[in-house]
Amino acid sequence: KQEVTQIPAALSVPEGENLVLNCSFTDSAIYNLQWFRQDPGKGLTSLLLIQSSQREQTSGRLNASLDKSSGRSTLYIAASQPGDSATYLCAVRQANQAGTALIFGKGTTLSVSS
Amino acid sequence: NAGVTQTPKFQVLKTGQSMTLQCAQDMNHNSMYWYRQDPGMGLRLIYYSASEGTTDKGEVPNGYNVSRLNKREFSLRLESAAPSQTSVYFCASTTQRQGIGGYTFGSGTRLTVV
Repeated sequence: KQEVTQIPAALSVPEGENLVLNCSFTDSAIYNLQWFRQDPGKGLTSLLLIQSSQREQTSGRLNASLDKSSGRSTLYIAASQPGDSATYLCAVRQANQAGTALIFGKGTTLSVSS
Repeated sequence: NAGVTQTPKFQVLKTGQSMTLQCAQDMNHNSMYWYRQDPGMGLRLIYYSASEGTTDKGEVPNGYNVSRLNKREFSLRLESAAPSQTSVYFCASTTQRQGIGGYTFGSGTRLTVV
């Protein structure tokens, strides 16, 4: 059974720091991996989608990498800002199973202070 | 705007009451999903519909039923609500084509059962 783990569970940094959020998964047979952002009391906003054949994806100050063979992904946030404060969720889509849903980690709650 | 629309956004039920959560997507996606999100538990899959006309149980289906009304709409029904069903419910959709699609989530329904 696929399990997704995110470390750390919570992170506090001062504004301007570069930071890395980690995600690991136990079964490397995935179609893709998706990073989401969730603000308190809100829904999930997709940040980056990495296909299994890709190594990384970039959007603005965000860069996500994928090492499928080792079951790891990282989300790199450059020059963090208070507006980046949110919970970041990692989710994998299992391959070879029709209709299989995303399997989520429990998230990393990020707080960026000004 | 294209996306996933959930109604209602908030609901308070008494134990034993029934209700239906509605979800509609306008992205021509094949697959739709219902998740619940609870503190400390992350997002867990309740039911999914891989394509129009099919539905399957997820991780936590007890106490729920679903209907895939057409390609656009996927509803979740609580027949006899229990306090344990107090949660935030999210609907999501994706294309199943070769597993390459990312998932889009609705903004959620916050349900309290008293």
